[in-house]
Amino acid sequence: DAKTTQPPSMDCAEGRAANLPCNHSTISGNEYVYWYRQIHSQGPQYIIHGLKNNETNEMASLIITEDRKSSTLILPHATLRDTAVYYCIPFAGNKLTFGGGTRVLVKP
Amino acid sequence: DAGVTQSPTHLIKTRGQQVTLRCSPKSGHDTVSWYQQALGQGPQFIFQYYEEEERQRGNFPDRFSGHQFPNYSSELNVNALLLGDSALYLCASSLTGEWSNQPQHFGDGTRLSIL
Repeated sequence: DAKTTQPPSMDCAEGRAANLPCNHSTISGNEYVYWYRQIHSQGPQYIIHGLKNNETNEMASLIITEDRKSSTLILPHATLRDTAVYYCIPFAGNKLTFGGGTRVLVKP
Repeated sequence: DAGVTQSPTHLIKTRGQQVTLRCSPKSGHDTVSWYQQALGQGPQFIFQYYEEEERQRGNFPDRFSGHQFPNYSSELNVNALLLGDSALYLCASSLTGEWSNQPQHFGDGTRLSIL
């Protein structure tokens, strides 16, 4: 399984963009980059995924570097409800391997 | 459109007992995966079921077993419970597709406490 490196925590001001980095330098060619988040006492929530192109949906944008060794999840306008642990996971279709994630605290 | 539902939401057992947890996948999904999340840790993969067969298994002992039914719902069984089995048990469903990579969608889990 590809290993990931994420900052353990970060703060973000409400209404500002939150940029969450992830290093996945050992990602395999068939692995997509997935992002999930887990709000306290809930199951992980799927956010977005991509292979090599940048992706955007109603929740976030995903920027993947050309060499695919790192990516950035962008929450365009963070709200207090975005406070959660965010996980970056290289995934080929069977098991998800969760690392430590980034604990994001959105402050008013 | 109902998402992934799990039952019960909370359960208390004692050491040595057996437990069965249940999961109904999201409508249209045919694959169910189970994860264990200890307090303060990320979820750990237990196993995945597709076409009523265990397709992949994580590093969990044989005390952990599962089943998938023809309607794609699934059960997780744990025998001879240990204190260390106390955790949040998460079920995730997905659609196995040959030509695309599909996300897993999670339920909110069953909180199992062993006394």
